[in-house]
Amino acid sequence: QKEVEQDPGPLSVPEGAIVSLNCTYSNSAFQYFMWYRQYSRKGPELLMYTYSSGNKEDGRFTAQVDKSSKYISLFIRDSQPSDSATYLCAIGVETGNQFYFGTGTSLTVIP
Amino acid sequence: DAMVIQNPRYQVTQFGKPVTLSCSQTLNHNVMYWYQQKSSQAPKLLFHYYDKDFNNEADTPDNFQSRRPNTSFCFLDIRSPGLGDAAMYLCATSRAGTWGTEAFFGQGTRLTVV
Repeated sequence: QKEVEQDPGPLSVPEGAIVSLNCTYSNSAFQYFMWYRQYSRKGPELLMYTYSSGNKEDGRFTAQVDKSSKYISLFIRDSQPSDSATYLCAIGVETGNQFYFGTGTSLTVIP
Repeated sequence: DAMVIQNPRYQVTQFGKPVTLSCSQTLNHNVMYWYQQKSSQAPKLLFHYYDKDFNNEADTPDNFQSRRPNTSFCFLDIRSPGLGDAAMYLCATSRAGTWGTEAFFGQGTRLTVV
């Protein structure tokens, strides 16, 4: 079983839609959670970082963590064509020197 | 301002010819990572340095080596590149300790092997 599971998509939505991206993980030792956006041929860009259950909001982005279910989500409101990218979740252990990536979800927002 | 800088952005090397990729950081983070990412795949961790301590992933080929001469710089050496080593190579940093922090990535070096 992989440490982190993520639906690879691809996911295609119309502009303005709410997008939900999800990851599940297997190890309860994981304590902090990150979402990255990666455009084609670029390095991953950190979008959200959280280490507690609940919601964290930043503009149009909301990260949600449910540690009891080992389930994390990223919501994008009012999606824009510029949001078209691959979204990677990454989950780490407490000491911060080890984290694991999901396979990434490819998102296309259609104008 | 770029915080994790990788050079070069694009590298073309010949089959079997050693190549070195470089990474520098201005964040003063104590952990530096090298990842390999192939098309449509998640980044795959090759190794990381926790301060001066080198940590190799079990499935990282011996063909890949790394050096970290100081906190700010880290190098990836590929001793004899094969066609299968063509990929994007990503450097990342984080501050680890009692409580970890988020990891930041450079823009990557795209390696082509001819």
